Amino acid sequence: DAGVIQSPRHEVTEMGQEVTLRCKLISGHNSLFWYRQTMMRGLELLIYFNNNVPIDDSGMPEDRFSAKMPNASFSTLKIQPSEPRDSAVYFCASSLRDRGTEAFFGQGTRLTVV
Amino acid sequence: SQKIEQNSEALNIQEGKTATLTCNYTNYSPAYLQWYRQDPGRGPVFLLLIRENEKEKRKERLKVTFDTTLKQSLFHITASQPADSATYLCASDKLVFGAGTILRVKS
Repeated sequence: DAGVIQSPRHEVTEMGQEVTLRCKLISGHNSLFWYRQTMMRGLELLIYFNNNVPIDDSGMPEDRFSAKMPNASFSTLKIQPSEPRDSAVYFCASSLRDRGTEAFFGQGTRLTVV
Repeated sequence: SQKIEQNSEALNIQEGKTATLTCNYTNYSPAYLQWYRQDPGRGPVFLLLIRENEKEKRKERLKVTFDTTLKQSLFHITASQPADSATYLCASDKLVFGAGTILRVKS
């Protein structure tokens, strides 16, 4: 398996534009996590899915952020409209079962909103 | 809400010495803790998991302890090498991460 795959690796967009980040889970994994990482705030958990269902979205900063899992192997994180303070590295991670095992991270998407 | 705290200051040590990193948790009693390594420009990589009923776990030069009385986990790297230089992250069983500690091993 190629591991968790995120796209794009880098995204530069103008303030107010919609941004969609994509994540492909490791085959057979049933849990999906989205994180945001900045120097100031570290690695923040945004949302957690189990079996395609959002379980904990308390970390989603605002209504401008939304995440979906249209199927068991794919997820998107959308920011609309984007703002400069959304600039960060966004990671997704998957695990084999719930939160009981190690998480495998993707390479991340570096988002810059100008 | 649960909180995972790590020393945000960088730890600088000499090659060959043992590095010890600290992870404290508050407002919560995790069933286990996990440790990850993160290199610049890359995602975190899992290293070790220790359960609350385990006092210590080892993997090669790595050792993790879990003290439920102190609400603390210690992460040790023995015989450290420059290649061990990275950021080390502690995570709760809910996969909430601490801020991480930067380790620099100098030759």
